Amino acid sequence: GAGVSQTPSNKVTEKGKYVELRCDPISGHTALYWYRQSLGQGPEFLIYFQGTGAADDSGLPNDRFFAVRPEGSVSTLKIQRTERGDSAVYLCASSLMNNEQFFGPGTRLTVL
Amino acid sequence: AQKVTQAQTEISVVEKEDVTLDCVYETRDTTYYLFWYKQPPSGELVFLIRRNSFDEQNEISGRYSWNFQKSTSSFNFTITASQVVDSAVYFCALREEGGSYIPTFGRGTSLIVHP
Repeated sequence: GAGVSQTPSNKVTEKGKYVELRCDPISGHTALYWYRQSLGQGPEFLIYFQGTGAADDSGLPNDRFFAVRPEGSVSTLKIQRTERGDSAVYLCASSLMNNEQFFGPGTRLTVL
Repeated sequence: AQKVTQAQTEISVVEKEDVTLDCVYETRDTTYYLFWYKQPPSGELVFLIRRNSFDEQNEISGRYSWNFQKSTSSFNFTITASQVVDSAVYFCALREEGGSYIPTFGRGTSLIVHP
């Protein structure tokens, strides 16, 4: 079956702009996670959804970051007033409860 | 709090050598899960194995094997007869049963296998 997909694969934007990153999880997976990965680092947790609700958003760095999952499937990570420090690869993963996560290919965000 | 340490930043070997990637973890929970993921140059993390804290039996899958030792809080990964295609960054992760379902990842070990 299809794995986790993320769009776009690459996004280049200018400082101060708004961006949206999309994640389409594996069908039937109730849990969805967003991570951010900088060069040479492991994935850094941002937010976790169980169904439609954000079960844990403690990893969001500030209020410029927001994510939604309105129908319990596709999720969108939204970043307002982007800064150069937001440049990273944004990873999405999905899982069944208590099980291993399956990751998408990531979106490489570059803020100029 | 959960913590994962992968002390080896980069390992370089020649094809056909065996190589072990170390993972040391910290947790106060008695029930937890350990994972290994592979991130090839293409960038997508690939799940390799999950082990729960009650199962200390070592596992072998082809050229891959994992050694879980609770006494030393380690979950090491060995690749036997390494191949160039094994070149990737490998991440160890820990998730505690209590609390949220958020795993903590180590910083990764970059494995370079030379032909």
